[in-house]
Amino acid sequence: GESVGLHLPTLSVQEGDNSIINCAYSNSASDYFIWYKQESGKGPQFIIDIRSNMDKRQGQRVTVLLNKTVKHLSLQIAATQPGDSAVYFCAENLGADGLTFGKGTHLIIQP
Amino acid sequence: NAGVTQTPKFRVLKTGQSMTLLCAQDMNHEYMYWYRQDPGMGLRLIHYSVGEGTTAKGEVPDGYNVSRLKKQNFLLGLESAAPSQTSVYFCASSYSDGGLAGGTDTQYFGPGTRLTVL
Repeated sequence: GESVGLHLPTLSVQEGDNSIINCAYSNSASDYFIWYKQESGKGPQFIIDIRSNMDKRQGQRVTVLLNKTVKHLSLQIAATQPGDSAVYFCAENLGADGLTFGKGTHLIIQP
Repeated sequence: NAGVTQTPKFRVLKTGQSMTLLCAQDMNHEYMYWYRQDPGMGLRLIHYSVGEGTTAKGEVPDGYNVSRLKKQNFLLGLESAAPSQTSVYFCASSYSDGGLAGGTDTQYFGPGTRLTVL
């Protein structure tokens, strides 16, 4: 079965608001997670990653939070823009064995 | 750099036909991967390679074969296509297996090949 999964298939937010996309995982030994953005008709694009020795990591307008106690991670996008509209996947990085993806959350931006 | 490229972009096959999908990367990456993505789903790993001349099975390998004769190329073959193999296929490559060698282990994806098997 899946080792990672997202809570909501669709998330609708107003332009300019912050977006929070959630992901849960089941394997407590998991230690490396990546968030990908996939626009329509394109391959997944790396956004940000986090390892289990960290609780938080920030990038440009994005923050990933990792709560190992409840096996949950989230992606926060600040000041959401129309270009942020996409499907967002969390994935567990198994190293050479590849990635295990969740099902994805479709982020819809309302004008 | 072109990054990761895939050919063809689209293909329609009849049941039982064979075909090969080509993936090429110009980033000198050691690791390469083939995934499939079905509607409303995340990507699932088919096969992968940790170096030239090596291949390994992923989560859903049945019905597919792969070859990595050159470091920059990773081929995915369907010997006898079935409707269940209708999907979008993505290739990816990465530098290392977890940053142990000090390099990035981010996987870079190609644009995908949309395959329909009738």
